[in-house]
Amino acid sequence: DAGVTQSPTHLIKTRGQHVTLRCSPISGHKSVSWYQQVLGQGPQFIFQYYEKEERGRGNFPDRFSARQFPNYSSELNVNALLLGDSALYLCASSLGLALYNEQFFGPGTRLTVL
Amino acid sequence: DQQVKQNSPSLSVQEGRISILNCDYTNSMFDYFLWYKKYPAEGPTFLISISSIKDKNEDGRFTVFLNKSAKHLSLHIVPSQPGDSAVYFCAARHGGGADGLTFGKGTHLIIQP
Repeated sequence: DAGVTQSPTHLIKTRGQHVTLRCSPISGHKSVSWYQQVLGQGPQFIFQYYEKEERGRGNFPDRFSARQFPNYSSELNVNALLLGDSALYLCASSLGLALYNEQFFGPGTRLTVL
Repeated sequence: DQQVKQNSPSLSVQEGRISILNCDYTNSMFDYFLWYKKYPAEGPTFLISISSIKDKNEDGRFTVFLNKSAKHLSLHIVPSQPGDSAVYFCAARHGGGADGLTFGKGTHLIIQP
């Protein structure tokens, strides 16, 4: 059974550009969460979506947005990219809303902003 | 401010010995704590968790201890094996539930043969 998949694996953008990252959860999982991991730091919570609705939001600017589709896959969008947005973006899926041990992470998308 | 702190960026332990990874937190509203393990080029993998109403949880070679009064938890791995070499993250969940997991910066555990 496939785990959480994310695309692309690597991405290079320049300042001011826009980026879309994609995540496919484990089959049957209805919740998707997004995290940003800057080098040397732990993952930082950005969003959680459940049943296509935003259920939680971390301390990130409005340049960050996300959505969840009817098949429970998700997109993370970042507008007006800054150098500080360079990070590993992790997607995690879970069956329900509870953020316990049933949260499974994908391998991440490495975004570099030049 | 960092609400979950892992003060040791790295830890080197001999194979077969006990590894002890430490984590401190400041937010008394955290009600659930988790440890994740991360290999390079992979996402974090859940290892073990503990509820704030317990002080110990054990799963095979892994045991997590929680000291609520000190706002401190630790992960014990015994015996340590080469495959345990990885970055270990301590994470906490806020009782309100809508803010995701709060992670520490991680500790890089190196198991020496």
